[in-house]
Amino acid sequence: DAMVIQNPRYQVTQFGKPVTLSCSQTLNHNVMYWYQQKSSQAPKLLFHYYDKDFNNEADTPDNFQSRRPNTSFCFLDIRSPGLGDAAMYLCATSRTAGYEQYFGPGTRLTVT
Amino acid sequence: AQRVTQPEKLLSVFKGAPVELKCNYSYSGSPELFWYVQYSRQRLQLLLRHISRESIKGFTADLNKGETSFHLKKPFAQEEDSAMYYCALSGLREKLTFGTGTRLTIIP
Repeated sequence: DAMVIQNPRYQVTQFGKPVTLSCSQTLNHNVMYWYQQKSSQAPKLLFHYYDKDFNNEADTPDNFQSRRPNTSFCFLDIRSPGLGDAAMYLCATSRTAGYEQYFGPGTRLTVT
Repeated sequence: AQRVTQPEKLLSVFKGAPVELKCNYSYSGSPELFWYVQYSRQRLQLLLRHISRESIKGFTADLNKGETSFHLKKPFAQEEDSAMYYCALSGLREKLTFGTGTRLTIIP
């Protein structure tokens, strides 16, 4: 049973056209994370929500925003995608901070 | 700052031979270390964490604070061990920092 679900699995968007990636979880975990992973690189944390508290990483571009309307769902919004934003985007959850993280399958974003 | 270094991007080992995936970290406090694994076409998942001191799928990892290392070891490699392995550190604000990963290939 999928516990962390990401939709879509593949997303193609045009340069500058806003795009939203979604993540949902059935684990009722408090923390949800968004990572960006480029080819042959480590996953890089963009931001995370601890319940409703948003925590942005200092080097996350303003172009990236997130929403968490409820415990189960979290969205990643890219306001004006550039070619450099093409990557795999991973959503993860954990019961609380510092605990094991459960990852979704990822959404591969292509920017044309 | 917290940093994780995995010096080997690729590692090939014969089936039945010992495996060691290296991981070194940099962190000023008391870190929590993890190994995550990604098998082909599967999602990233936790393999083991240092605090639990478990052996998972025959793998063990010992935290060596003196050498700031957390190497992953298995005495006898199996073909199903072929995967991408990431060492990760949880430190400041429980942020998880990943190494760049090692792709392990087991040669039959």
